Amino acid sequence: EAGVTQFPSHSVIEKGQTVTLRCDPISGHDNLYWYRRVMGKEIKFLLHFVKESKQDESGMPNNRFLAERTGGTYSTLKVQPAELEDSGVYFCASSQVYNSPLHFGNGTRLTVT
Amino acid sequence: DQQVKQNSPSLSVQEGRISILNCDYTNSMFDYFLWYKKYPAEGPTFLISISSIKDKNEDGRFTVFLNKSAKHLSLHIVPSQPGDSAVYFCAARITGTASKLTFGTGTRLQVTL
Repeated sequence: EAGVTQFPSHSVIEKGQTVTLRCDPISGHDNLYWYRRVMGKEIKFLLHFVKESKQDESGMPNNRFLAERTGGTYSTLKVQPAELEDSGVYFCASSQVYNSPLHFGNGTRLTVT
Repeated sequence: DQQVKQNSPSLSVQEGRISILNCDYTNSMFDYFLWYKKYPAEGPTFLISISSIKDKNEDGRFTVFLNKSAKHLSLHIVPSQPGDSAVYFCAARITGTASKLTFGTGTRLQVTL
């Protein structure tokens, strides 16, 4: 069984540019989550999809962040325009049922210069 | 306001000895706790969990203890092995909030020969 896949693994962009991160969850997992770890701090929740619907987006920092999950399969997280404080590692996770442990991808390391 | 705290950023233990990683939480609504292990450049991997109705859960070399009155949990690894060297994250959630996890900042465990 393939795990959660994230692309790209690294991204370096300039302040003001746009970046799109992609996550492919484990096949059959309806629940998809985005988390972020900034500067070695705690891993923070961003949002939760159930299939294509946003179940909880309370962790999204501001309206520069847009997450989509068209068709309930893969998800994208777009940051536009990027700011310096957006730098960090963005993790995607998925689970088959809502209360089962999350399976995380390897993350995308975003650096905004 | 950090609701899950791991006050020891690092820990060094000799191979074969016991490793004890600690975690404190402030939100009394948390009723399920998890430990995740993370290797460099990889995503967190689920290790072990405990419900608030229990005070101990054991899985092989790993045991998690929960002290609800003190709002404290700990992860014991016995015996410690070099492959256990990683960053360990404590996480908590509230039933009914799906798998939205609140993480601590992590403790880096180094198991030496």
